[in-house]
Amino acid sequence: ETGVTQTPRHLVMGMTNKKSLKCEQHLGHNAMYWYKQSAKKPLELMFVYNFKEQTENNSVPSRFSPECPNSSHLFLHLHTLQPEDSALYLCASSQVGTAGANVLTFGAGSRLTVL
Amino acid sequence: SQELEQSPQSLIVQEGKNLTINCTSSKTLYGLYWYKQKYGEGLIFLMMLQKGGEEKSHEKITAKLDEKKQQSSLHITASQPSHAGIYLCGAEYGNKLVFGAGTILRVKS
Repeated sequence: ETGVTQTPRHLVMGMTNKKSLKCEQHLGHNAMYWYKQSAKKPLELMFVYNFKEQTENNSVPSRFSPECPNSSHLFLHLHTLQPEDSALYLCASSQVGTAGANVLTFGAGSRLTVL
Repeated sequence: SQELEQSPQSLIVQEGKNLTINCTSSKTLYGLYWYKQKYGEGLIFLMMLQKGGEEKSHEKITAKLDEKKQQSSLHITASQPSHAGIYLCGAEYGNKLVFGAGTILRVKS
């Protein structure tokens, strides 16, 4: 496996379900990110983890719960979501502390549909 | 209003034609990034511009940074179907990378 891998690619869930999105990076990067991409809206930064520590929570509702057990893995736990949370969730990684700190490598995304 | 405005929102060009996409910031630009996205997939990094007047090229895509105007442009020469997708600019604001809404490009054969 190379790059950034996200699973599942597609997820349909009810508002009372609990599910998780998984992201794994094989690049040796020290920072990982969750972004949300909704139709006709700019890409929204949700969470940032540097060296496994959360450094950014962009006013995300508590029904989204991130977890970063190590520098290679990132999860987004979902519970009691709303239909407006339906979107493409993108994971990314980068090497902070270098000139390329904002050169993000993205995964293919997880398309979430909340019924 | 958004911090980073892209124009146009979408465009359709005939294969072989040139096109330009603009990205304008409401704040001082310290770093400007261009990414490309195929529909429903992740973003792919194209170029990074960090100095006023800087210009970079990759194959038939050229990006420039006009620091004074707080603007960057992406120019594609002799467009091909493989250029189709969504082009997003991203700007460094503090320690965050903020993205524009994107420009959807369709190339007609």
